[in-house]
Amino acid sequence: GAVVSQHPSRVICKSGTSVKIECRSLDFQATTMFWYRQFPKQSLMLMATSNEGSKATYEQGVEKDKFLINHASLTLSTLTVTSAHPEDSSFYICSARVRTGPGTEAFFGQGTRLTVV
Amino acid sequence: AQSVTQLGSHVSVSEGALVLLRCNYSSSVPPYLFWYVQYPNQGLQLLLKYTSAATLVKGINGFEAEFKKSETSFHLTKPSAHMSDAAEYFCAVSDPGANSKLTFGKGITLSVRP
Repeated sequence: GAVVSQHPSRVICKSGTSVKIECRSLDFQATTMFWYRQFPKQSLMLMATSNEGSKATYEQGVEKDKFLINHASLTLSTLTVTSAHPEDSSFYICSARVRTGPGTEAFFGQGTRLTVV
Repeated sequence: AQSVTQLGSHVSVSEGALVLLRCNYSSSVPPYLFWYVQYPNQGLQLLLKYTSAATLVKGINGFEAEFKKSETSFHLTKPSAHMSDAAEYFCAVSDPGANSKLTFGKGITLSVRP
C-alpha cells in the first residue's frame, strides 16, 4: 500500500514557540492531504484539508492563523502550530487518499505527539 | 452531512471469543465505509472497506464486516479474538469522491482477556 510518512513522531516545545510537523507521501502524489487532531481516548477530528498549490480549507472552529498549513508540492504538506500553548498538546495525524481499484483508500501517517510545556 | 455512531466506548472479550463492534452511519449519498485500528501512539491502519461492491467485506487479521443498507449498519466481527487484537477501533464514513474527507466515529476500545 501507499506510505505516508509523518515527522517528528514526538515533540516537546516551550509555550510560545512554534512547531512544524511534516507529512510526506513517499510513493505517490497527493493533491489533497488531511490533518486531524486526536485528544486522549477520543476520535479523530478533522482540522483542515490541505490542497496542493492553494489555500487549505479549515473546519469550523479551527484557527487558521494558529494552525498554518502549507502544501507546496505533491508529496509534502506541513502543519505549523504557531505560538503553541499547553492546550495545543495533542496527537496530530495526517492522511492522504489514494485510488485503489474502484474506490479510494486513506493512508495515515504515524502521528505526532505534541507536548507543550 | 455524514455521521457515524459507535455505541459504547469499551468492549471486553475473552481470547477465542467472538468480537462484535457495532457501527451505524448516516449519509445522504451512497457511502463508503471503513474500519480502522489504532495502536497506542500510532496512526491508523485500515482493516477493511466497503465501496459499493460486495456487502460482506473481508479484511486483514480475520476481520470482516457486513454492509446492511436497511439497518444503516456496518458492524465489525471476528470469530475468534486474539490478544493482539486489543486496540482502538474506529468506523468511518465518506462519500465516494476521490478526495472526500473521512468522518470518524468516537471509537471503541477492545480489550481481550486471557
